[in-house]
Order: sequence, then structure tokens, then C-alpha cells
Amino acid sequence: KQEVTQIPAALSVPEGENLVLNCSFTDSAIYNLQWFRQDPGKGLTSLLLIQSSQREQTSGRLNASLDKSSGRSTLYIAASQPGDSATYLCAVKEQTGANNLFFGTGTRLTVIP
Amino acid sequence: EAGVAQSPRYKIIEKRQSVAFWCNPISGHATLYWYQQILGQGPKLLIQFQNNGVVDDSQLPKDRFSAERLKGVDSTLKIQPAKLEDSAVYLCASSPPGGRRSGNTIYFGEGSWLTVV
Repeated sequence: KQEVTQIPAALSVPEGENLVLNCSFTDSAIYNLQWFRQDPGKGLTSLLLIQSSQREQTSGRLNASLDKSSGRSTLYIAASQPGDSATYLCAVKEQTGANNLFFGTGTRLTVIP
Repeated sequence: EAGVAQSPRYKIIEKRQSVAFWCNPISGHATLYWYQQILGQGPKLLIQFQNNGVVDDSQLPKDRFSAERLKGVDSTLKIQPAKLEDSAVYLCASSPPGGRRSGNTIYFGEGSWLTVV
């Protein structure tokens, strides 16, 4: 059964710092991997989606990488801002089975002004 | 474009009572999902519909949870009777047509927050 782990569970950084969030998954037979953002009391917003054939995706200050063979992904946030404070979740869609997502437990990020 | 709509946003009930949550997906989205997110955990799929048929309900506690999507559009998730451990956010999501290998992303609603006391 696919298991997704995110480290660290929580992270506090001063404004302006670059940071990396980590995600690992146990079954490398994935179709794609997504990074989501969740603000308190809100649903999930998709940030980046990486297909299994891709190595990275970029959107603004965000860069997500994927190493499928080692079962790892990272989300890099450049020049962090207080508005980046949220919980970041990664999720994988498997190659087989139903078209749903397996989520990690998330990293709660706080950017201190 | 309107997003995934859910109601009610918040509900507090006593254990052994029943509750129902409603979801209206994005127009044209054939696939609808219900996820349960317990505080401090990632969302876990409860049930997935393709139009009005169930694709996956392997994680749905069928002794107390039920869900339907009768006309292939909106959906209702019911819990009866509720237990303390059912306290969670219930997230509805939808995705456009494209089959299992669709690379399209999944769009989430803001969730229905349930507290069982």
C-alpha cells in the first residue's frame, strides 16, 4: 500500500529565507505527484503537478522536483514571505488502481516577518 | 468558473446523532471524491464516483457512512450514527473527464468541518 511521508512536520523560517520541504513515497510506480497548499479553515489549492516522466516543475518562486526511482520529491520555496505560511501537502497518484490521490501528513510552514 | 461548493461549512453534533454533507462539483466534472481529513493528518479517500457510479469505496466505513450521487452531479455524504473519532474535515473534490490516467488536477472544496461531542 502506498505510504507518503513528509518531513519536517513543522518549520519556522524568517522572511526572505529559501527553504525546502521533503516528501517521500514507498511505491515508485506513480503516475504523477502534486503539491498542495492548505490555509487554516480552507480547502486545498494545487500548486504544482509533476508527471512521472518529468523531473521538475516551476511556478514563480516555487520549484518542485521528482526523483521517482528513489521515491522522493522536494518543494523549494525561494525568498519566503509571510503569505507563504500554510500547510503544504504532497500527494501521489498511482499508475494502477482508481484515480485518487494518496496524501502525506503535511508540513506546517510559518514565515516570520 | 465556480469552484466546488460544500455545505454546511461547520457542524457540531453529539455522538450517535446523524449528519449529512452536500457537495456540488465543478460543472462538467465527471469524477467526484469525498476525503476525510483528521486534524494533523493528510486527507484520506472515502469514496470516489465516476458520474453516478462508485469507483472506489474501499475506505468507507459502511456500517455508519453512506454516500450517493444519484444524478451524476451533486453528492451527499451521510454519517449515522456519528462517533467521536468522526470529528474531521470532510473535503469534496472533483476532476474533469479524462479517465484514470488523466493528468488533470483535482479541485477541492473548502470542506465541511465536523465536531462530534
